[in-house]
Amino acid sequence: AQKVTQAQTEISVVEKEDVTLDCVYETRDTTYYLFWYKQPPSGELVFLIRRNSFDEQNEISGRYSWNFQKSTSSFNFTITASQVVDSAVYFCALSEAGYGGSQGNLIFGKGTKLSVKP
Amino acid sequence: DVKVTQSSRYLVKRTGEKVFLECVQDMDHENMFWYRQDPGLGLRLIYFSYDVKMKEKGDIPEGYSVSREKKERFSLILESASTNQTSMYLCASRGGYSGANVLTFGAGSRLTVL
Repeated sequence: AQKVTQAQTEISVVEKEDVTLDCVYETRDTTYYLFWYKQPPSGELVFLIRRNSFDEQNEISGRYSWNFQKSTSSFNFTITASQVVDSAVYFCALSEAGYGGSQGNLIFGKGTKLSVKP
Repeated sequence: DVKVTQSSRYLVKRTGEKVFLECVQDMDHENMFWYRQDPGLGLRLIYFSYDVKMKEKGDIPEGYSVSREKKERFSLILESASTNQTSMYLCASRGGYSGANVLTFGAGSRLTVL
């Protein structure tokens, strides 16, 4: 069965600190996709990144970076020099590569609430 | 940009009332989803639909039903609301049928049942 674990329920940092949000997943599929979404206080989940199981290259986008390691089934998210606007709930999610029906539905972790204080 | 619009941001209903939560997307997406979000439980899938008039149960369908008469609209129905259905409800849509495709979410509907 698929599962996504975000062990950190809440994290609080001071502005300009670096912070890493952990995500560990379980799946028996060889082809799968991993996602990160951000949910600011306004409520709407916003897509941040998608990674497929065959691409273990790390990715950097501005202050955001993602580290995907299949050996440890982890897909961690780091924010460098955090800002107050980064305060949100962050969700990691997993989907199969399936096509049609329930295949391909996202399995979400329980989320990590990040508070960045000025 | 894909837009997913949920008709009500905040609703307050009484136990036993029938509740309709409406969701409309404007990008001709095949798939639509209803999730429920509760503190400490994350997002849980209630129902999804991969075509007009098609629906599939998610992980927690009990106490809910859905309707998809038109491709752009997916409604969540609580036939007889109960206090344990007080929650944030999130609608999402996705183009195509692949798990690789990105979900686009609405802003959510916060329902309180008294």
